Amino acid sequence: DAGITQSPRYKITETGRQVTLMCHQTWSHSYMFWYRQDLGHGLRLIYYSAAADITDKGEVPDGYVVSRSKTENFPLTLESATRSQTSVYFCATKEGKNIQYFGAGTRLSVL
Amino acid sequence: ELKVEQNPLFLSMQEGKNYTIYCNYSTTSDRLYWYRQDPGKSLESLFVLLSNGAVKQEGRLMASLDTKARLSTLHITAAVHDLSATYFCAVDIRSGTASKLTFGTGTRLQVTL
Repeated sequence: DAGITQSPRYKITETGRQVTLMCHQTWSHSYMFWYRQDLGHGLRLIYYSAAADITDKGEVPDGYVVSRSKTENFPLTLESATRSQTSVYFCATKEGKNIQYFGAGTRLSVL
Repeated sequence: ELKVEQNPLFLSMQEGKNYTIYCNYSTTSDRLYWYRQDPGKSLESLFVLLSNGAVKQEGRLMASLDTKARLSTLHITAAVHDLSATYFCAVDIRSGTASKLTFGTGTRLQVTL
């Protein structure tokens, strides 16, 4: 039972490059979320999705793009990476009003 | 804008001692979560509190919710080293197409011998 799989786990890139972080779930949960975690800020919501083809902005969406063509996948793309996007990124899923389950995270460094 | 404040941000305590972490939030919500995060790891759900006066306990941790005061507490009883981690509270608010969590900044707990 894999649950939520994030890939890659670690990524180093350069400013201006496009980067895509992948999130895959095996539960068929309706809701999926992307957060970033930075020291002193806790977790902040970037984008979320209520179902396939339904996405919405969270607290810090600028510089990010998401899509959800299939229920199980929710990729997050940094179209032109900046140093301020160096962070740990977590994907999460939930069904209905239940708790959110988090993936293992992707540690991204933008040089 | 919803604000979720935790205090303290850092807590160093000796094994065997008791302490409480506080979580204040600025808008009405009747659903609050506590998560634990070990260094370099993901978040693990500890408790979900669904109504005013709710109390949940698991081992040495007990969480409570006062929706009128917009306050949740996480009480640690007779701390042990294994409880060393960062603890987050998160408030669930519905807007747009989903109910979403707003996290506090976390309380880093260090339990020393």
